[in-house]
Amino acid sequence: GAVVSQHPSRVICKSGTSVKIECRSLDFQATTMFWYRQFPKQSLMLMATSNEGSKATYEQGVEKDKFLINHASLTLSTLTVTSAHPEDSSFYICSAPTSANEQFFGPGTRLTVL
Amino acid sequence: LAKTTQPISMDSYEGQEVNITCSHNNIATNDYITWYQQFPSQGPRFIIQGYKTKVTNEVASLFIPADRKSSTLSLPRVSLSDTAVYYCLVGDMEKTGANNLFFGTGTRLTVIP
Repeated sequence: GAVVSQHPSRVICKSGTSVKIECRSLDFQATTMFWYRQFPKQSLMLMATSNEGSKATYEQGVEKDKFLINHASLTLSTLTVTSAHPEDSSFYICSAPTSANEQFFGPGTRLTVL
Repeated sequence: LAKTTQPISMDSYEGQEVNITCSHNNIATNDYITWYQQFPSQGPRFIIQGYKTKVTNEVASLFIPADRKSSTLSLPRVSLSDTAVYYCLVGDMEKTGANNLFFGTGTRLTVIP
């Protein structure tokens, strides 16, 4: 199947700093990618839809100024958590659909804000 | 948006067949049913997808009755490595919007030696 990668896999940062997470589709192009957040023992919650060449679409309750999304190319989307705080600590997962509308998920990024 | 209902958790002994049922009463005509597996600290992994009747692949079978209001994931002869959370998702495959893929609570399967 198709491969989606994320970098970094794990990041620890101090409160107030910004953290960038990359999501790449390695063997296919994706005009759309999705960002999820998952807290311990909970399900995945969709945060936003990343659109290549246009603005991201955010789900209700997700601050677009805090979670900056840039879809720079057909294979790369980045999520920047600005001025991170401990409550932003979570597992962030991206996904991308192939042309056959199959969703492939990245391995996730564990963010810990101290 | 077709929401799903699954048992929160299940336990099974190694070597047994496990059946996880998912209810999706509001499934739409264009919706497909997809099951994902998620291990701790990993992204979800595709297991199987179907529209109606039965689908089988090398890891699982998916049974879908005629009314499509539920589906059952069948894992044959589970092993300890099958301990994971299993999500049932229902979505319109003609649309690539992720809001079509709503993650419910999932079922936490624990395989016991």
